[in-house]
Amino acid sequence: AQSVTQPDIHITVSEGASLELRCNYSYGATPYLFWYVQSPGQGLQLLLKYFSGDTLVQGIKGFEAEFKRSQSSFNLRKPSVHWSDAAEYFCAVSGNTPLVFGKGTRLSVIA
Amino acid sequence: DAGVIQSPRHEVTEMGQEVTLRCKPISGHDYLFWYRQTMMRGLELLIYFNNNVPIDDSGMPEDRFSAKMPNASFSTLKIQPSEPRDSAVYFCASSFLRTGTNTGELFFGEGSRLTVL
Repeated sequence: AQSVTQPDIHITVSEGASLELRCNYSYGATPYLFWYVQSPGQGLQLLLKYFSGDTLVQGIKGFEAEFKRSQSSFNLRKPSVHWSDAAEYFCAVSGNTPLVFGKGTRLSVIA
Repeated sequence: DAGVIQSPRHEVTEMGQEVTLRCKPISGHDYLFWYRQTMMRGLELLIYFNNNVPIDDSGMPEDRFSAKMPNASFSTLKIQPSEPRDSAVYFCASSFLRTGTNTGELFFGEGSRLTVL
């Protein structure tokens, strides 16, 4: 069965600093990979997705993620974090079943 | 585009009462999912439907939980009787199958926060 691990429960970064959120997945075949963001009291919004092709995918709000098959990873990056990026971030994997989500990483942004 | 609509946004009830959560998926989407989010367990898939037919309900925790989708534009998740451990945020999501993929991305509602006293 597919699974997702997000090793970092909580990360704090300074505004303007770069960000990398880690995601490792387990799935026997080529996965479909997603990053979602959840602001307090809100539902989840899709940031970006990987289905096939270029392993570096661009998303909304200046985010990007890179699929590395050899490392079973799909890490999310942003070169310069804004205070409005403070939220919970979820990585998800899908194969031939519905999305399975990681436990999430809470991002705090300090001035 | 109205998005996925859930109601109520907040529900506070007493143990033993029946709770009904409602969801209206995005028009044209043929998959509907119910997820539960808690601090301890994260996001758990409870059940999903394809073309109004339940496909997998293995995530439904107990017989106290039931879900229906009488038509393409409406689904309910019912808990009877409710217990304090059912307190969580319940999300409904919908999607459509993309050609060449096994599943599309999910579009989430804003959730129903349930508190059982």
